[in-house]
Amino acid sequence: QSVLTQPPSVSAAPGQKVTISCSGSSSNIENNYVSWYQQLPGTAPKLLIYDNNKRPSGIPDRFSGSKSGTSATLGITGLQTGDEADYYCGTWDNSLGAVVFGGGTKLTVL
Amino acid sequence: QAQLVQSGAEVKTPGASVKVSCKASGYTFTGYYLHWVRQAPGQGPECVGWIHPGSGVTTYVQKFQGRVTVTRDTSISTAYMELSRLTSDDTAVYYCARDYRNKGFDIWGQGTMVTVSS
Repeated sequence: QSVLTQPPSVSAAPGQKVTISCSGSSSNIENNYVSWYQQLPGTAPKLLIYDNNKRPSGIPDRFSGSKSGTSATLGITGLQTGDEADYYCGTWDNSLGAVVFGGGTKLTVL
Repeated sequence: QAQLVQSGAEVKTPGASVKVSCKASGYTFTGYYLHWVRQAPGQGPECVGWIHPGSGVTTYVQKFQGRVTVTRDTSISTAYMELSRLTSDDTAVYYCARDYRNKGFDIWGQGTMVTVSS
């Protein structure tokens, strides 16, 4: 029942590339910046991408973000086993007047 | 380095209240909004409310209005979230997170597990 919709799971082999989608609406993604978070098991979320496509200091350029209309995408290249985690998108929702998140996508590196 | 450290796990009975603390260090506590976000088992994060520690102004997500109170003590750089009339649906990990100039939540506390059970 999350406001933003993500696929429950994605998988790819080490060294490959994967993309994770995040679908919203005109009240959230289309008119606001999107952030992406990585959550390793048992830990707090970690900011990966902000302002749709910017990386905080220390985040490798293997991680990228993009946005088009009411959808956003997180891309991860050169997959490593350490990338196995849950990934969440987040943005401001103008109707709800709060930050909203997706339900999360579990990445498995086969 | 900047960090947020939260209080320990809580177990409460239905109808009770819980108060979670979040102590900031390594940055100017009064200069950034602080959000409270919860995450139920197996679900995505959900915002509860936030405070600007400098002014004390709070905003609560409509779903929680009337049940949540966020406060701060600037003398010890600590924010608090109190949630009342707890039900089993409130069982979740509660996080505090710093809002980096509306560019996402860049610093998170370690989380506080709140379990509501009779």
